[in-house]
Amino acid sequence: DAGVTQSPTHLIKTRGQHVTLRCSPISGHKSVSWYQQVLGQGPQFIFQYYEKEERGRGNFPDRFSARQFPNYSSELNVNALLLGDSALYLCASSLPGGNEQFFGPGTRLTVL
Amino acid sequence: GEDVEQSLFLSVREGDSSVINCTYTDSSSTYLYWYKQEPGAGLQLLTYIFSNMDMKQDQRLTVLLNKKDKHLSLRIADTQTGDSAIYFCAYDPGYSSASKIIFGSGTRLSIRP
Repeated sequence: DAGVTQSPTHLIKTRGQHVTLRCSPISGHKSVSWYQQVLGQGPQFIFQYYEKEERGRGNFPDRFSARQFPNYSSELNVNALLLGDSALYLCASSLPGGNEQFFGPGTRLTVL
Repeated sequence: GEDVEQSLFLSVREGDSSVINCTYTDSSSTYLYWYKQEPGAGLQLLTYIFSNMDMKQDQRLTVLLNKKDKHLSLRIADTQTGDSAIYFCAYDPGYSSASKIIFGSGTRLSIRP
């Protein structure tokens, strides 16, 4: 069975631009969470989606948004990019009510 | 508040045991986790422990939880070069409707020959 997949692997943008990151969960997993990992730090929770609805949001500005599709895949959108948005963006999926989150390889975003 | 503290670095000799420690502040934690991250890779769940347990053993890994002191440790027996990575201590606060995990900053484990 395939694990969590994310695309693209790497991305370079300039300040002020917009970016869309994509995530496909493990088959059968209906919950998707997004995390931001800045270099040298642990991941920070951004969003969780379950059954296409937002279940939780971390301490991130409104420039960050996400959605989940009927096939449970998800997109993370970031508007008006800042240099500080440069990070590894991780997606994790889990079973309904499950306590284990399985992480994808991440998308490394560089903002110049 | 939500905070997890870990030491930044640990160096051990190949074949010895590694012990990575972590303290957390939130007493509402339900599950506590250890994740491994190799260079350029995502996070791999190594093991987890429910907050009403004191110890969990899984092959070379032993997790100890002292809930009174809010202290979690991960012991890796017979440490190998493939164990070189960053290890993150993390927990689920349990009070949120979201499956939110709070991570520490990670401990970089290096192995000496």
